[in-house]
Amino acid sequence: KAGVTQTPRYLIKTRGQQVTLSCSPISGHRSVSWYQQTPGQGLQFLFEYFSETQRNKGNFPGRFSGRQFSNSRSEMNVSTLELGDSALYLCASSLAGTSAINEQFFGPGTRLTVL
Amino acid sequence: QKEVEQNSGPLSVPEGAIASLNCTYSDRVSQSFFWYRQYSGKSPELIMSIYSNGDKEDGRFTAQLNKASQYVSLLIRDSQPSDSATYLCAVYSYSGAGSYQLTFGKGTKLSVIP
Repeated sequence: KAGVTQTPRYLIKTRGQQVTLSCSPISGHRSVSWYQQTPGQGLQFLFEYFSETQRNKGNFPGRFSGRQFSNSRSEMNVSTLELGDSALYLCASSLAGTSAINEQFFGPGTRLTVL
Repeated sequence: QKEVEQNSGPLSVPEGAIASLNCTYSDRVSQSFFWYRQYSGKSPELIMSIYSNGDKEDGRFTAQLNKASQYVSLLIRDSQPSDSATYLCAVYSYSGAGSYQLTFGKGTKLSVIP
């Protein structure tokens, strides 16, 4: 079974631009979660999508948004990029449901550099 | 705010020894606990999950959970240089409206010395 895929793997943008990242979950997985990882803050939760609906959201500004399509693929968008948005953006998929027994599996990540 | 605390390390152990990684969490009603391994420049890889008090063994890995003490640990027996990585503790807690959120510690860097 194929794992989680993310595109692109690397991105270089300048301040003020916007960016869209894509994530395809493991086949059969309906939940997609997005995380930001930086050396200083570690892994921080951005949001989770399930059945095309945002089910949960972390403490990030409104410049960070996402969506999920009917095939469970997800995109996240960051508008008006700031230098501090430079990070590894990780997508994780899980079978979902509301059970707490819900293992998440990560994709390879998108390394975003904002200049 | 739910918190997950780990000693950042680095933790250095000789090859063949037991590595012990520890994690505490703040949310008493947390229900699921996970250990991820992250090699430098790579994404986190799930290596263990544990849901009830006690020990869970999988090969050279043993996860231990004590909900009363809000403590979870990972033991790696017969440590190998290939185990050198950052280990992330993650705790799954109910965040309302039928949803759960996975909160990560900042990780412990393990170095296994040949």
